[in-house]
Amino acid sequence: QIQVVQSGAEVKKPGASVKVSCKTSGYSFTDYGLSWVRQAPGQGLEWMGWISPYKGNTNYAQKLQGRVTLTTETSTTTAYMELRNLRSDDTGVYYCVRESDCGGGCYWFQHWGQGTLVTVSS
Amino acid sequence: QSVLIQPPSASGTPGQRVTISCAGSNSNIGKNYVYWYQQLPGTAPKLLIYKTNQRPSGVPDRFSGSKSGTSASLAISGLRSEDEADFYCAAWDDSLSGWLFGGGTQVTVL
Repeated sequence: QIQVVQSGAEVKKPGASVKVSCKTSGYSFTDYGLSWVRQAPGQGLEWMGWISPYKGNTNYAQKLQGRVTLTTETSTTTAYMELRNLRSDDTGVYYCVRESDCGGGCYWFQHWGQGTLVTVSS
Repeated sequence: QSVLIQPPSASGTPGQRVTISCAGSNSNIGKNYVYWYQQLPGTAPKLLIYKTNQRPSGVPDRFSGSKSGTSASLAISGLRSEDEADFYCAAWDDSLSGWLFGGGTQVTVL
């Protein structure tokens, strides 16, 4: 059974950094990409970036370039998302998502973590 | 502001058909597959439609997807109370080299 389990809620002050972990199990960690998607309170979904656990390749949303870093640790099948220089509008739920390949250039967000609430407040 | 534009809300009575639109551009919907996700309150999103019009196993055939040019649609036929949720369209954008989501449509069953 595939599981994606994220770390707990965080409260940070503006200007600080946050690092959220995502522990995966039940599949070959290096075979599938991982994306991070966030959702501000009462708002829609926003894709933040993607990482390949196989080679460590990353692709970040232009809006977050320079502030976000995605990493993986193969030995523990864990992924990490670090967001720096936090602002109040970074408050929201952050999801780690394992992708699946549906063939012919099709990829979908199949296995979602439970989400991690990050609150940025002074 | 989302680059994929959805109406903020839609509603219908039980048994009715509801359609949700998703407007994009040539760099996303015009060239790539469209996906639809359903998010029930307090839960993570769940895939409803992939490859524009395909349903994963377990998704009822009441849900259907389509695309024309740079716009896509999700139709829910035989609306049921358990369909009350937020629905999001998504597509890869070639210009941004990243995924885009629509702003979401809240469906209410009257």
